[in-house]
Amino acid sequence: QVQLKETGPDLVQLTQTLSITCTVSGFSLTTYNVHWVRQPPGKGLEWMGAMWNGGGTDYNSAFKSRLSISRDTSKSQVFLKMNSLQTDDTAKYFCARQDLYYGSPFDYWGQGVMVTVSS
Amino acid sequence: DIQMTQTPSSMPASLGERVTISCRASQGISNYLNWYQQKPDGTIKPLIYYTSNLQSGVPSRFSGSGSGTDYSLTISSLEPEDFAMYYCQQYDSSPWTFGGGTKLELK
Repeated sequence: QVQLKETGPDLVQLTQTLSITCTVSGFSLTTYNVHWVRQPPGKGLEWMGAMWNGGGTDYNSAFKSRLSISRDTSKSQVFLKMNSLQTDDTAKYFCARQDLYYGSPFDYWGQGVMVTVSS
Repeated sequence: DIQMTQTPSSMPASLGERVTISCRASQGISNYLNWYQQKPDGTIKPLIYYTSNLQSGVPSRFSGSGSGTDYSLTISSLEPEDFAMYYCQQYDSSPWTFGGGTKLELK
């Protein structure tokens, strides 16, 4: 069955780099898109960026050049890397799958990984 | 960026009640609007895509409508499992943005 699982650190130091891996199963990264969405504690959802099925990427400009998304299709993994972390980057980070037709919703989500940025 | 304003931010309601959640975009989004439900344990699932299409497996008591800048999600008769957070999301243009959320609470 379709599954997405995020793995990453619980705690990251201020100004350091966050690395999270989304490992998927039950589908191929070449036939679905994968998105990253985050949610600060008690707040709403924020779209961060996408890895398209063809290998291209799209980023929310709010993250400027801090954010990088990549993948390893052989391992069914999508990677999020974000540098210069600040305390307001404390959030739960989700990866989510999207079908290829335009307008398809994010139909499967990981359980998320909670990351705290500490000074 | 397109701003999505959801109202109300919280809504007390009773079992069996009909409720409507609204979502207004800062500009027209051509019906490119999805709705999601987030349960208290954090699990997120899609409910409605492209304004009014029911996601597979979602009960028919959920429905969506709207056009231009104004959209809504309606639950025709609340069940216990419907008490959760709800988010709208536009995908007319990047960055794809979510509404601030509506917390549906048991009255």
